[in-house]
Parts: sequence; structure tokens; C-alpha cells
Amino acid sequence: TAGITQAPTSQILAAGRSMTLRCTQDMRHNAMYWYRQDLGLGLRLIHYSNTAGTTGKGEVPDGYSVSRANTDDFPLTLASAVPSQTSVYFCASSDTPGLAGGSDTQYFGPGTRLTVL
Amino acid sequence: EDQVTQSPEALRLQEGESSSLNCSYTVSGLRGLFWYRQDPGKGPEFLFTLYSAGEEKEKERLKATLTKKESFLHITAPKPEDSATYLCAVQAKGGSEKLVFGKGTKLTVNP
Repeated sequence: TAGITQAPTSQILAAGRSMTLRCTQDMRHNAMYWYRQDLGLGLRLIHYSNTAGTTGKGEVPDGYSVSRANTDDFPLTLASAVPSQTSVYFCASSDTPGLAGGSDTQYFGPGTRLTVL
Repeated sequence: EDQVTQSPEALRLQEGESSSLNCSYTVSGLRGLFWYRQDPGKGPEFLFTLYSAGEEKEKERLKATLTKKESFLHITAPKPEDSATYLCAVQAKGGSEKLVFGKGTKLTVNP
């Protein structure tokens, strides 16, 4: 099982340009997430989706947008990149969240390293 | 606000030298506490989930424990391949899907 795949592996992007980071999972998980990881700050949630057709904002959503047209794919778009968006981006997925008495393990992809110049 | 603090930031051990990593947390109501391992250039790899105080889980040389305020990741007789950054995260009750992560402990095990 591939689990979660992310593309590209790395990218250098000029400031002001747009870019979409791709994420695909084959585990049929309902929920998907985007995090960024920065040295000294740890992992922070950008956006999430509890199920296809719905999305929500995380801790640091500004400058990013997401869509969830189907169960498997959850792309993250930077409309106009800025240098502060230089980071490593991780996509994750989990089984149905929000069930009483349960906790849902999130499984992570390999990441995309983005540099905005 | 939910918070997670991990200590120490970095830990160097000799092969076979047992030790523990700490994860202190503040959360309105704990739904679950997660431990992950992260190797350089890779995504976090799931290790354990703990749900309630007193719970323990083991996997090879690792054992995770949970109290009402903190969790410990005990490493018994570590090997060089245990070198990695270990991340702790909490998930709060109330239907939130959000994981709040600590900054991690970088473990180096020397042969």
C-alpha cells in the first residue's frame, strides 16, 4: 500500500508565483490535513477536510487554499507565494474523526520542501 | 489554549544506555496523545496513541506511558537506528480534529 503520496518532492518558486502542492491517499480515509513544519516552530495545521466536499481552517491558513473534490485528493494552493511560505509541507490523513470516545491516528506523507525566493 | 512541551530538545546516548523523553501537555480535555518518529527528510511515522492516564504501550525498545499532565517515551537499550526526532501531539475532546504538536526531541544514539 502506497499510503500517502505528495508531489513535487521539492520546489523553488519565485515570490508572487502560484503553485499547487498535490496530495493523494489510497487508504480511503475520510479526513485529510495539510501541515507546515518550520525549524523551531514544529508542525502547524494549515487546512483540513473532514470529508469530501468540506474544508476548514487550521492554525495558519492565510495565503493558502484547499479543495476536496473527492476522497483521495487534497491539493494545497499558494495563490501568490511569499518568502515566509518557505517550509516543508506535509499532508496527512485519518479515518473518520469526531466519533465519541475515539481518537484518530493521522498518517503522514513524505513531504514537499518549498523554497520561495 | 492547548500546548505541548517536549524535553529535552536534544539527547545524546550511548548504545545500550536507557533513558526517557518527556512530553508535558495542557489541554481542555484529552482525547488522545500521539507519539511519532521522524527521520531527517521524511514525514512523521506513527508510533503510539494513548487515551487515558495509566495507559502504557510498547513496541520493541520503546514504551510510552501517560499521566494526567505528561507522557514519557522510555527507550530501553537503544541502538543507533533509534536515532531520530520524536514528536508528541495531543488531540482535544469536543470534536476537534486538530493535533497540537510539540517541537520534538532529537535523539542521537552513538555506537
